[in-house]
Amino acid sequence: GAGVSQSPSNKVTEKGKDVELRCDPISGHTALYWYRQSLGQGLEFLIYFQGNSAPDKSGLPSDRFSAERTGGSVSTLTIQRTQQEDSAVYLCASSYLPVGSTDTQYFGPGTRLTVL
Amino acid sequence: AQSVTQLGSHVSVSEGALVLLRCNYSSSVPPYLFWYVQYPNQGLQLLLKYTSAATLVKGINGFEAEFKKSETSFHLTKPSAHMSDAAEYFCAVSVPNTGNQFYFGTGTSLTVIP
Repeated sequence: GAGVSQSPSNKVTEKGKDVELRCDPISGHTALYWYRQSLGQGLEFLIYFQGNSAPDKSGLPSDRFSAERTGGSVSTLTIQRTQQEDSAVYLCASSYLPVGSTDTQYFGPGTRLTVL
Repeated sequence: AQSVTQLGSHVSVSEGALVLLRCNYSSSVPPYLFWYVQYPNQGLQLLLKYTSAATLVKGINGFEAEFKKSETSFHLTKPSAHMSDAAEYFCAVSVPNTGNQFYFGTGTSLTVIP
């Protein structure tokens, strides 16, 4: 079956603009994660959705970042008033079981965001 | 708090030589441990995972890792490096019943010299 897909693959925007990044998880996966990968910084956890539970937003770096997951499937990460330090690759992953289990996370190819 | 440390952000080995990528974790309870690989311009994919069964875990492409509780380590090894092993490798930890986060190390970039 299809893996995790993300769109767009690349996004270039101007400082101060809003951007929306989309993630389509693997069908049937209950858990969805967003990470940010900056050069030399590894993967930074942003937000985690599990089923119908309230999301864990503890990793969001500021209130300019928000995310939603509609119908337990597709997720959108929104960054308002983008700043140059927001430039990074944004990765989405999904898993069948919740985090804290032994289940594998499946990653999408990422969206490379460049803020000019 | 849980954390993962990968010693050496860049590792170079000759083709055919042993690959050793180091990972140490910090956790108050036995964690689940993972190694992911990211090839150039591709997403992360799972190499192997430790789930409290056998301490020596075998993964894809000839890689293996050994969980050593006394050393809080989960180092990744491969007996003989191939050119195709050049990639970024990430160690990660998931701790049961302690919250919703999955912690990644900062990654190790492996270069294989012909």
